[in-house]
Amino acid sequence: DAGITQSPRHKVTETGTPVTLRCHQTENHRYMYWYRQDPGHGLRLIHYSYGVKDTDKGEVSDGYSVSRSKTEDFLLTLESATSSQTSVYFCASRGGEGEKLFFGSGTQLSVL
Amino acid sequence: SQQGEEDPQALSIQEGENATMNCSYKTSINNLQWYRQNSGRGLVHLILIRSNEREKHSGRLRVTLDTSKKSSSLLITASRAADTASYFCATGTFTGGGNKLTFGTGTQLKVEL
Repeated sequence: DAGITQSPRHKVTETGTPVTLRCHQTENHRYMYWYRQDPGHGLRLIHYSYGVKDTDKGEVSDGYSVSRSKTEDFLLTLESATSSQTSVYFCASRGGEGEKLFFGSGTQLSVL
Repeated sequence: SQQGEEDPQALSIQEGENATMNCSYKTSINNLQWYRQNSGRGLVHLILIRSNEREKHSGRLRVTLDTSKKSSSLLITASRAADTASYFCATGTFTGGGNKLTFGTGTQLKVEL
């Protein structure tokens, strides 16, 4: 399996504070993704990247920004956290022409 | 909006029985994938079927795809307690950013001893 690590694994923060989640992969995969998982909604795509400095929005991108300055790192920032952003966040990556995704273990974020 | 919708939402069976989960989707796709998620863990890829394929097998897994009905099914044969997990279908469409996957809401499978 691809080596994908997410940090932190758990975070509690207050409404209005900025939060950054980190995803690190060691497989030199070109494509990286951020999803959020909520009961009743499955996984929803927030943002994705198709190369260094190349990113695009997913279906639930409002309130989130991303950056990818190196192939191995993909950062997700909640600019001003809200309670509706309490969720489990998953990072995933995909290499080359392969279509399957490799997932990290997730970050449980609670916004109080 | 969700592309894939799984049915049933929850399924409970006895060990040794077969488990069937269904996925319906709305728009044309290039491929459809099934993933498994154990409680508190990330998703793990199980199998991929392309839009020009009708059936695929991998071990105890059998996936079918009917593009005319926009539906897919995942069959797990001779289920084991270790198969207890949530199963998600994901539809793949090619965009400028490559293969974009849209996930359904999942089926929770419980296999009892």
